[in-house]
Amino acid sequence: DSGVTQTPKHLITATGQRVTLRCSPRSGDLSVYWYQQSLDQGLQFLIQYYNGEERAKGNILERFSAQQFPDLHSELNLSSLELGDSALYFCASSAPGLGPNTGELFFGEGSRLTVL
Amino acid sequence: AQSVTQLDSHVSVSEGTPVLLRCNYSSSYSPSLFWYVQHPNKGLQLLLKYTSAATLVKGINGFEAEFKKSETSFHLTKPSAHMSDAAEYFCVVSAGYSGGGADGLTFGKGTHLIIQP
Repeated sequence: DSGVTQTPKHLITATGQRVTLRCSPRSGDLSVYWYQQSLDQGLQFLIQYYNGEERAKGNILERFSAQQFPDLHSELNLSSLELGDSALYFCASSAPGLGPNTGELFFGEGSRLTVL
Repeated sequence: AQSVTQLDSHVSVSEGTPVLLRCNYSSSYSPSLFWYVQHPNKGLQLLLKYTSAATLVKGINGFEAEFKKSETSFHLTKPSAHMSDAAEYFCVVSAGYSGGGADGLTFGKGTHLIIQP
């Protein structure tokens, strides 16, 4: 158990809908990262937050948005969903003072989104 | 710019035989390199990391990897495969500077390790 909690584990929805994925980082970790994993694209970095502030942005679509709250949990909002958004969405966190390039990322078990 | 290439999408070995998962990288900086493992329906877990210390790195579960700058490689090995090693393995390269954002990390496409009984 990594200590990173993601909900829901599975989500099935229809095209055009909006969903929210939630992540609680490990106790004491200030950074949260969101990744999308699909069969054709592999693991893609979406966005990173540090203590409530956006820190780095990857291949995140304009239809997607995220935020990190004062209690450090984070939410990833996906709107106007398309079939191609079906994927496994991972959240990760890292220890204070250790960026992802030198430290370890702790991953949750992911939220599997299916868009029908 | 940096990139990482995992040379095999699938590797199949018999239980008890050696494992070799190959990874080549390119980086404009002195890189940090990582191997992560993903078991079915689980998140990724760090196996080992190289951050400019010893070139032979030992990780969890008997895995190790050797950083070879001249060959730009960071292959993952294990002397004897176990059924529980069946998983997806990801090689990751970073720009290697502390405090860098996650946009500085590049994941390989993964190697699926199959263990035959």
